[in-house]
Amino acid sequence: ETGVTQTPRHLVMGMTNKKSLKCEQHLGHNAMYWYKQSAKKPLELMFVYNFKEQTENNSVPSRFSPECPNSSHLFLHLHTLQPEDSALYLCASSQEQGSGSSEAFFGQGTRLTVV
Amino acid sequence: GQNIDQPTEMTATEGAIVQINCTYQTSGFNGLFWYQQHAGEAPTFLSYNVLDGLEEKGRFSSFLSRSKGYSYLLLKELQMKDSASYLCATMDSNYQLIWGAGTKLIIKP
Repeated sequence: ETGVTQTPRHLVMGMTNKKSLKCEQHLGHNAMYWYKQSAKKPLELMFVYNFKEQTENNSVPSRFSPECPNSSHLFLHLHTLQPEDSALYLCASSQEQGSGSSEAFFGQGTRLTVV
Repeated sequence: GQNIDQPTEMTATEGAIVQINCTYQTSGFNGLFWYQQHAGEAPTFLSYNVLDGLEEKGRFSSFLSRSKGYSYLLLKELQMKDSASYLCATMDSNYQLIWGAGTKLIIKP
């Protein structure tokens, strides 16, 4: 079992649908992250949770809503998305935010297509 | 502003050596990371540099010059499995990672 697991791996949804992405980490980490990865663009940090508290929200539209019920689980709730939201959504975890050498461990991502 | 630059794509031959450069301008500096990402897979950690100099780890080495805002990843004895994207990221004064767009490395036989 990998350290960070994301489900589903692939998702196709209509613009009026509501869906959720799930992330689970088995590494005992205290920080979890949502990133958006679009082709040939840098990873975009969306949300950060440190010890279950949201510490970053990088101007993400409200159609994306994160939830962190405990330090092992992270969700991204999606509703009324736009076609330009189609991308790879990556979850990551690290020991804690604010630790310089703390590497991030990534899940394999959810490939989202909005039609 | 904060900016990370790295080449979009590079091609190298199996068995050879390749150097992937990364230049950065960030608000504060708390280290530089290199990650490898195979197509359709998760990025995986390769190296972390916070002090100037060369860090060697097997076939891969990473170099940092803070005064020049410059790093490189050196891959030796290239293998076909090294075909991947290589992501450079710096950690700013708020301990937030700033990412480059990645360098796609193509290895040819």
